[in-house]
Amino acid sequence: AQSVTQPDIHITVSEGASLELRCNYSYGATPYLFWYVQSPGQGLQLLLKYFSGDTLVQGIKGFEAEFKRSQSSFNLRKPSVHWSDAAEYFCAVGERGNKLVFGAGTILRVKS
Amino acid sequence: GAVVSQHPSRVICKSGTSVKIECRSLDFQATTMFWYRQFPKQSLMLMATSNEGSKATYEQGVEKDKFLINHASLTLSTLTVTSAHPEDSSFYICSASAGNSPLHFGNGTRLTVT
Repeated sequence: AQSVTQPDIHITVSEGASLELRCNYSYGATPYLFWYVQSPGQGLQLLLKYFSGDTLVQGIKGFEAEFKRSQSSFNLRKPSVHWSDAAEYFCAVGERGNKLVFGAGTILRVKS
Repeated sequence: GAVVSQHPSRVICKSGTSVKIECRSLDFQATTMFWYRQFPKQSLMLMATSNEGSKATYEQGVEKDKFLINHASLTLSTLTVTSAHPEDSSFYICSASAGNSPLHFGNGTRLTVT
């Protein structure tokens, strides 16, 4: 069965510091991987996705993620965090146009 | 870009009443829509998958007679929570896709049952 693990429930970083959010997945076939961001009381916004090809994926808002098949990981990174990045981030795995399985989410706090 | 509109954004209802939530794809035809539920401080859990013109497929543990899903057109799916109880209070989010395109999510509906 598909599953997604986000080991960190909360992460706090200083504004301007680099960020890495971890995501590990379990999937029987080649996975389609996604990162979404959710602000309080809001829906989800797609940050980036990996279907195939280059394993380093660029997304919106300066985010990137790297697919590492050997580690079953798809970690999200940003070189310099802004206060507006504070939100909850969800990693998900599934079919491109099909239902997704989400991780538990990581809440990012940014301190000035 | 593609937009999914969900309405209402917030609803408060009394226990025993029914509530309908609408999910619309505004600029594309959504062949498939998904309904998720998110309890406080938890992740999204898929409730059901609805395909236009056919019956919804419910995930294990989701009562199909309680959560009625209708996907009558390629741009509209509705979720009706029947005989709502306080434990149904949650954040409900829909998503839509057209074929193999990535999912687009609505902004969610906060349901509070008193």
